[in-house]
Amino acid sequence: GAGVSQTPSNKVTEKGKYVELRCDPISGHTALYWYRQSLGQGPEFLIYFQGTGAADDSGLPNDRFFAVRPEGSVSTLKIQRTERGDSAVYLCASSPGSQETQYFGPGTRLLVL
Amino acid sequence: EDQVTQSPEALRLQEGESSSLNCSYTVSGLRGLFWYRQDPGKGPEFLFTLYSAGEEKEKERLKATLTKKESFLHITAPKPEDSATYLCAVQAGTGRRALTFGSGTRLQVQP
Repeated sequence: GAGVSQTPSNKVTEKGKYVELRCDPISGHTALYWYRQSLGQGPEFLIYFQGTGAADDSGLPNDRFFAVRPEGSVSTLKIQRTERGDSAVYLCASSPGSQETQYFGPGTRLLVL
Repeated sequence: EDQVTQSPEALRLQEGESSSLNCSYTVSGLRGLFWYRQDPGKGPEFLFTLYSAGEEKEKERLKATLTKKESFLHITAPKPEDSATYLCAVQAGTGRRALTFGSGTRLQVQP
């Protein structure tokens, strides 16, 4: 079946601009996660949704980052006033509600110039 | 604070040369330890979940084991297609669903 999909695959923006990154989870998965991965590092947790609500947003670095999942399926990660330090690969993962294994998408490579 | 340390950072093997990757962890009550494989430019691909000390899981040339302080990923007679970065992650038993990842081991298998 279809895995987690993310769009766009690549995004280049200028410092100070606003960006939106989209994640389509595996059909039927109720839990959705966002992570950020810098070069040579493992993924770092940002936020976790169970259904429509953000159950844990403790990994969001500051208030420029925000994520929504209005209908409990697709999620959008929003970054305001982008900074060069926001450049990274943003990964989305999903899991069935009753299991722990998280399945990752291919990521969106964000470059802030 | 949960921590995961992976060693070595990089490993180069000849085809057929078996070896092990190490993942040391500290966590508030382990709920699960996960191994993922990541190819360049792609997202992590799930390999194994281990839940308790003494548990072992196998898949083709890979075997993962778990103790109370570390996990090993044993690679038997590797092939060039096993070249990738292998990531280890833990999930705490506090109810928190976030995974804490190590920095990974970059494995290169030469023919």
